[in-house]
Amino acid sequence: NAGVTQTPKFRVLKTGQSMTLLCAQDMNHEYMYWYRQDPGMGLRLIHYSVGEGTTAKGEVPDGYNVSRLKKQNFLLGLESAAPSQTSVYFCASRGEMTEAFFGQGTRLTVV
Amino acid sequence: QQQVKQSPQSLIVQKGGISIINCAYENTAFDYFPWYQQFPGKGPALLIAIRPDVSEKKEGRFTISFNKSAKQFSLHIMDSQPGDSATYFCAASNPRTASKLTFGTGTRLQVTL
Repeated sequence: NAGVTQTPKFRVLKTGQSMTLLCAQDMNHEYMYWYRQDPGMGLRLIHYSVGEGTTAKGEVPDGYNVSRLKKQNFLLGLESAAPSQTSVYFCASRGEMTEAFFGQGTRLTVV
Repeated sequence: QQQVKQSPQSLIVQKGGISIINCAYENTAFDYFPWYQQFPGKGPALLIAIRPDVSEKKEGRFTISFNKSAKQFSLHIMDSQPGDSATYFCAASNPRTASKLTFGTGTRLQVTL
């Protein structure tokens, strides 16, 4: 039982480059979330989805886009990376009455 | 706008002591209050959670105390062990907003020998 899997685990980008982070869950959860974690700031919600084909903005959505074409996958895209997007990114999924399960995180550095 | 305020930022406790972490929230629509534990290089994992219809929940050495009128809740770790050294996050969610978790800023706990 894999739970929530994030790909890749580490990445270094140059300013202006683009990339996509993949989150996959095998628990048939409806809700999926992308958070970023920065020192002293906890986890802040970037975007979320309440089901296949839906997405919505969270607390810090600027500079990111998301897609949920399949229920089990939630993609986070950075079109033009900036140093301010250096962070650890976590994906989470949750069912209607279940706890939220987190992936292992993606450590992204933008130079 | 910090909807969930957590303190202290860091905490050092001797082995066998009690660790106490506090959180306060503003949104009265929150109805689920979990605590997450995170080890370095890992994702947060649910430790214990409470809903506002009870004032306390205990699971082993971990207890949540909940004060609905004061809009505060706290995590107590009894008989703290070095293996408890981690970062702890309180959180809250509102079922009317897709059950999104709003997190506190985290407490880094170190349990010394």
